[in-house]
Amino acid sequence: NAGVMQNPRHLVRRRGQEARLRCSPMKGHSHVYWYRQLPEEGLKFMVYLQKENIIDESGMPKERFSAEFPKEGPSILRIQQVVRGDSAAYFCASSLDRGNEQFFGPGTRLTVL
Amino acid sequence: DAKTTQPNSMESNEEEPVHLPCNHSTISGTDYIHWYRQLPSQGPEYVIHGLTSNVNNRMASLAIAEDRKSSTLILHRATLRDAAVYYCILRDRNQGGKLIFGQGTELSVKP
Repeated sequence: NAGVMQNPRHLVRRRGQEARLRCSPMKGHSHVYWYRQLPEEGLKFMVYLQKENIIDESGMPKERFSAEFPKEGPSILRIQQVVRGDSAAYFCASSLDRGNEQFFGPGTRLTVL
Repeated sequence: DAKTTQPNSMESNEEEPVHLPCNHSTISGTDYIHWYRQLPSQGPEYVIHGLTSNVNNRMASLAIAEDRKSSTLILHRATLRDAAVYYCILRDRNQGGKLIFGQGTELSVKP
């Protein structure tokens, strides 16, 4: 049973471009979470999705960031018009149910030039 | 979610036990105590969780104080691979959902 998969593992974008980060949850998991870890800082929750629905987006910046988890396919975290401050490691996690342990992917390291 | 307090860093010697403390004086009756760890350059990894009773699994043990205002994660024999940041997190069993990470304890293990 493959773990949580994220791609790309490393992503370089220039200011103003778009970044798309993908997350495939563990098989059978329908709950997905995105977290961000800025350099030298702790992990911060961004958004929680359950198949086609956003359950909690209290940690998402109000502008430029969006997330989806379609019926088929991976969850996508999209950052429009990236700025240098978006450079961070973005981790995706999945769980069987909302109260269960979360399994994390290896992360996508975004660098904005 | 209630807050937790952990030491910023701890040191251990290889093959010795490690006791990582966590204070959570404002814990509510429905909060589970979860521990996750993050190895360098990796995503976090679930370690263990409990509510009231002490818990054991293949990775660690969790000792919970009788008043639940503190807990201790116990690694019975530290290895170099246990060097990581350890996070103690409270999570309401009726809500679940997001994990709120604090600063955690950075554990270094000396050979």
